[in-house]
Amino acid sequence: GESVGLHLPTLSVQEGDNSIINCAYSNSASDYFIWYKQESGKGPQFIIDIRSNMDKRQGQRVTVLLNKTVKHLSLQIAATQPGDSAVYFCAETPGGGADGLTFGKGTHLIIQP
Amino acid sequence: DGGITQSPKYLFRKEGQNVTLSCEQNLNHDAMYWYRQDPGQGLRLIYYSQIVNDFQKGDIAEGYSVSREKKESFPLTVTSAQKNPTAFYLCASSISQGNIQYFGAGTRLSVL
Repeated sequence: GESVGLHLPTLSVQEGDNSIINCAYSNSASDYFIWYKQESGKGPQFIIDIRSNMDKRQGQRVTVLLNKTVKHLSLQIAATQPGDSAVYFCAETPGGGADGLTFGKGTHLIIQP
Repeated sequence: DGGITQSPKYLFRKEGQNVTLSCEQNLNHDAMYWYRQDPGQGLRLIYYSQIVNDFQKGDIAEGYSVSREKKESFPLTVTSAQKNPTAFYLCASSISQGNIQYFGAGTRLSVL
């Protein structure tokens, strides 16, 4: 079946470097994408979203890029800080989001001092 | 203090027992959702409700039941038919379908 997935289960970066977390999706009907951050034992926290009519969206220290041609989504975190250590999930929903979100398995971002 | 409140934080179920997880939101959101998260996995949708007195099955509804009698409340019952209930359960809400979903802190359910 169609699914959302992430390329790497774990990503280790040096504090202060930029982080790039990738996500592939296979449902061509998906038109809304969200990145969440989940710290251990807590619920997911919204980071940034993007709709399929956009290629790029920027927030505070984060940028989401959407490549519809290859069905690829990425989250870029600038100047990574220790507090960025968490599992990052991409989620997608097709058809205007009438149903719940479909989540990837997540990437664990580890910050090295 | 607005948000989504899940209770209890930890819950234990005995064999053959039904247990109910609470989810309350004061965000005036129409849509509410229940997800299950297993270790090292993403979230899977159990049930969702777009409006009061209406709900739909998600991808893994078997062994679960819900109700939506009030806009702010969407309790999830894990029935004895759910043979592998141990997981982290997350409730979410959104202002309407197709918008950002905000999550509660979760309930961790274990079997005694």
